[in-house]
Amino acid sequence: GAGVSQSPSNKVTEKGKDVELRCDPISGHTALYWYRQSLGQGLEFLIYFQGNSAPDKSGLPSDRFSAERTGGSVSTLTIQRTQQEDSAVYLCASSLVRLAGTGEQFFGPGTRLTVL
Amino acid sequence: KQEVTQIPAALSVPEGENLVLNCSFTDSAIYNLQWFRQDPGKGLTSLLLIQSSQREQTSGRLNASLDKSSGRSTLYIAASQPGDSATYLCAVPGNTPLVFGKGTRLSVIA
Repeated sequence: GAGVSQSPSNKVTEKGKDVELRCDPISGHTALYWYRQSLGQGLEFLIYFQGNSAPDKSGLPSDRFSAERTGGSVSTLTIQRTQQEDSAVYLCASSLVRLAGTGEQFFGPGTRLTVL
Repeated sequence: KQEVTQIPAALSVPEGENLVLNCSFTDSAIYNLQWFRQDPGKGLTSLLLIQSSQREQTSGRLNASLDKSSGRSTLYIAASQPGDSATYLCAVPGNTPLVFGKGTRLSVIA
């Protein structure tokens, strides 16, 4: 079946604009994760959704970042009033899991965000 | 707080050589450990997942071992090929769903 898909693959925006990044997980996967990979940095956890439970937002760096997952499937990560330090690759992953992080995670190709 | 370290940060080997990548983690109470591959400008590809009850997992030329008590995992690549050139990342569940190392950048020279 299809893997995790993300759109757009690349996004260039001006400082101060809002952006929306989309993730379509593997069908049937109940857990969805967002990570950020900045140049020269490791992968940083942002937010985790599991079924209908309240999301784990502990990794979001500021209140400019938010995410939602509609119908237990597609997720949108929104960054408001983008800053240059938001420039990074945003990666989405999904898994079959009951406990956070315990299932094998499958990643999408990422969205490369550049804030000018 | 779980921390994951990978050494070396970069490795260059001639084609055909066998090699070992190292991963260490500070909290041995892990549920599993996952190895990934990342090609430049791409997402992560899952290579192997080892459950905490397992000692090793094999997939083709790849063999991953896990020693929970010492907080270590190794990824063994046999008969390396230029197509194996990529960054290899290990990750474990921790205070966040996955805690990643910074990766080992592997170059296999033809």
